[in-house]
Amino acid sequence: EAQVTQNPRYLITVTGKKLTVTCSQNMNHEYMSWYRQDPGLGLRQIYYSMNVEVTDKGDVPEGYKVSRKEKRNFPLILESPSPNQTSLYFCASSTQNQPQHFGDGTRLSIL
Amino acid sequence: AQSVSQHNHHVILSEAASLELGCNYSYGGTVNLFWYVQYPGQHLQLLLKYFSGDPLVKGIKGFEAEFIKSKFSFNLRKPSVQWSDTAEYFCAGPRGSQGNLIFGKGTKLSVKP
Repeated sequence: EAQVTQNPRYLITVTGKKLTVTCSQNMNHEYMSWYRQDPGLGLRQIYYSMNVEVTDKGDVPEGYKVSRKEKRNFPLILESPSPNQTSLYFCASSTQNQPQHFGDGTRLSIL
Repeated sequence: AQSVSQHNHHVILSEAASLELGCNYSYGGTVNLFWYVQYPGQHLQLLLKYFSGDPLVKGIKGFEAEFIKSKFSFNLRKPSVQWSDTAEYFCAGPRGSQGNLIFGKGTKLSVKP
């Protein structure tokens, strides 16, 4: 089954404790993205990757890092999380000019 | 600058009412446009897409959208909504590189039974 898998689905943590949200897709898609969703602000792109080792900043990259060492994986790293990064995060993947497939989301709460 | 605008933040309708949600985009070049739906507590799912050809696009669950190039619009319509259509709807268009999208801020639809 074609899918984008994010882990964890829920996480409550404390300020400053490094965390990684994993994202994996099994569709051999070149393009992958991370978004955060906040009420009234829609989906804002954090980072985007066009292929292995090729990433680019989105609208709100501050405080986040990504890596794309393998085509299927695109982890999101918060080196020193802060409360303003409390949000619902989505990973998505696509192939050229095709619709994006979304993961189920990760709800992060940073205290 | 590339942007996608959705004008309605929250729409409340009774069952069987007709629906039209506005979406405007601003950029040139190839236009690939999408509508996504997000049911409460779920991820985004594709409703329909426009790449080229017939400007009237039909999607799942009775939704359709019309691409009007002269108005830079891609409005979503449904003749008769159901309670199960209660969800948030996002319009999206191309952003820079192929495969990258920019989303509107979303329109929350509440359908009263």
